[in-house]
Amino acid sequence: KAGVTQTPRYLIKTRGQQVTLSCSPISGHRSVSWYQQTPGQGLQFLFEYFSETQRNKGNFPGRFSGRQFSNSRSEMNVSTLELGDSALYLCASSLASLPDTQYFGPGTRLTVL
Amino acid sequence: AQSVTQPDIHITVSEGASLELRCNYSYGATPYLFWYVQSPGQGLQLLLKYFSGDTLVQGIKGFEAEFKRSQSSFNLRKPSVHWSDAAEYFCAVDGDKIIFGKGTRLHILP
Repeated sequence: KAGVTQTPRYLIKTRGQQVTLSCSPISGHRSVSWYQQTPGQGLQFLFEYFSETQRNKGNFPGRFSGRQFSNSRSEMNVSTLELGDSALYLCASSLASLPDTQYFGPGTRLTVL
Repeated sequence: AQSVTQPDIHITVSEGASLELRCNYSYGATPYLFWYVQSPGQGLQLLLKYFSGDTLVQGIKGFEAEFKRSQSSFNLRKPSVHWSDAAEYFCAVDGDKIIFGKGTRLHILP
């Protein structure tokens, strides 16, 4: 069974731009969660989607948004990029909604210049 | 408020030695507990989890962890480390929402 895939793997943007990251979960998984990982703040939960509905969200500004499609694929959008948004963005999928065993993708490395 | 603490940022052990990584949490009830490992440039891989039942949990790669309610701890152990275990290890707690510790980077001496 294929694992969680994230595209693109690397991205360079400039301040003020917006970006969309994509995540394809493991086949059959209905929950997708997004995380931001930085050296200073560590791994922080952004939000979880289950059956196209946002179930939970972390403490991030409204510039961070997401959605989930009927095939469970998910996208995360960050608008008006700031330098501090430079991070590794990880997506994880699970069969059921959290708490459940999550399987992580390799991440998208976003650099904001 | 829910929190998780990994007191050791770096740990160095010799190959073949035993290992214990500490994890303490704060939550009003018993949360769901996880240990993940992250190798450089990779995503996270689940080592083991505790949801309920037996407080000694066996995971992959020879790791185990023990949930101690009285100490609010979920420490990760391995009897004999291998050079390939060098990585960063994260404890995670899911009560109201999932929170990860800051991580412990494990270095292995040959």
